[in-house]
Amino acid sequence: AQRVTQPEKLLSVFKGAPVELKCNYSYSGSPELFWYVQYSRQRLQLLLRHISRESIKGFTADLNKGETSFHLKKPFAQEEDSAMYYCALAAGNKLTFGGGTRVLVKP
Amino acid sequence: DADVTQTPRNRITKTGKRIMLECSQTKGHDRMYWYRQDPGLGLRLIYYSFDVKDINKGEISDGYSVSRQAQAKFSLSLESAIPNQTALYFCATDTGGTDTQYFGPGTRLTVL
Repeated sequence: AQRVTQPEKLLSVFKGAPVELKCNYSYSGSPELFWYVQYSRQRLQLLLRHISRESIKGFTADLNKGETSFHLKKPFAQEEDSAMYYCALAAGNKLTFGGGTRVLVKP
Repeated sequence: DADVTQTPRNRITKTGKRIMLECSQTKGHDRMYWYRQDPGLGLRLIYYSFDVKDINKGEISDGYSVSRQAQAKFSLSLESAIPNQTALYFCATDTGGTDTQYFGPGTRLTVL
């Protein structure tokens, strides 16, 4: 069975500092990975997916199959990045989510 | 984005009561999902449905049931609510594969 682990429950950084959210997965097949974000008082929404190799709001994530990781990075955090972030793995026609990481960006 | 709506948004109930949470979507998606969100545990899948005649259990289906009344409607029921079912419940839809899931605003349920 697939599993997604986000080891940090809370990340607190200062504005302008780099931020990295860790995500590790276990899955025997070829993974499809996503990052979802939930801003305060908003619904959960897709941030980015690994197959698109895109940068959204300054965030990037690289799939490392050797380390089974899909860490989310941003070189300069902004206050509006404060939110709950979930890593998710698509397998068996459904998503498995990690436990989430709350990011707090301090001014 | 009001494409996925949930009712009620908040509900407080007592142990033993039957509760129904409703989800409607106007995105025309065949696939619908119910999750519960608990601090530190992320989102866990309760039930999912790939079309009107298809219902599947997720990882935490015990104590819950669902009904897919139409392509656009997917209801979650707690037959006899208990306090550890206090959580935030989300409905989501997608078209399958690696498509984006679109989430509703959530229903905050408190069982006393």
